[in-house]
Amino acid sequence: KNQVEQSPQSLIILEGKNCTLQCNYTVSPFSNLRWYKQDTGRGPVSLTIMTFSENTKSNGRYTATLDADTKQSSLHITASQLSDSASYICTGLAGSWGKLQFGAGTQVVVTP
Amino acid sequence: EAGVTQFPSHSVIEKGQTVTLRCDPISGHDNLYWYRRVMGKEIKFLLHFVKESKQDESGMPNNRFLAERTGGTYSTLKVQPAELEDSGVYFCASSQGPGLGYEQYFGPGTRLTVT
Repeated sequence: KNQVEQSPQSLIILEGKNCTLQCNYTVSPFSNLRWYKQDTGRGPVSLTIMTFSENTKSNGRYTATLDADTKQSSLHITASQLSDSASYICTGLAGSWGKLQFGAGTQVVVTP
Repeated sequence: EAGVTQFPSHSVIEKGQTVTLRCDPISGHDNLYWYRRVMGKEIKFLLHFVKESKQDESGMPNNRFLAERTGGTYSTLKVQPAELEDSGVYFCASSQGPGLGYEQYFGPGTRLTVT
């Protein structure tokens, strides 16, 4: 069973609207949680990194939240743009040596 | 500053053949990771180098896969002999430090198709 579960699998939103992606994790021992954006044909690019002591972190129009008690995270995209169309991947870092556990990703399509 | 580069971008080989993938990390990054995404699945860890040493190779699927990082610079991942289930996208990532708090920078990936 995957240690990182994401929902929804995909979503379509209108340009300018907001959306929220969900991530549940069971990675242990948990070090930190990361959200990546992956454009088609490219490698993942980091959006946020949060340790268990952080509740929220923003990167421009992207805001990630983390609840270490319930082991849930969310990524909120504000005022979506066409360039936000991509796969958004939640990952958990197990231990301290950099071994990332990936979720399957949420495919976001922003339409005009 | 150049990012992580991977070569080739796409490789199509027949079952039983050999393929070698190459990754050039960001200059000065001692930590290098290989990951793989097979169709319909999540990206999975393969192994981690610290300089030229293998720190963790727990994700390597079997002994048909051989990773090297001679001199602690670029790395190669050889698949010999390739099987159909090896098809997927192979990503390389590098970082300054070994994980906690350190950004991993990913290359664009090599798409491997085994026919």
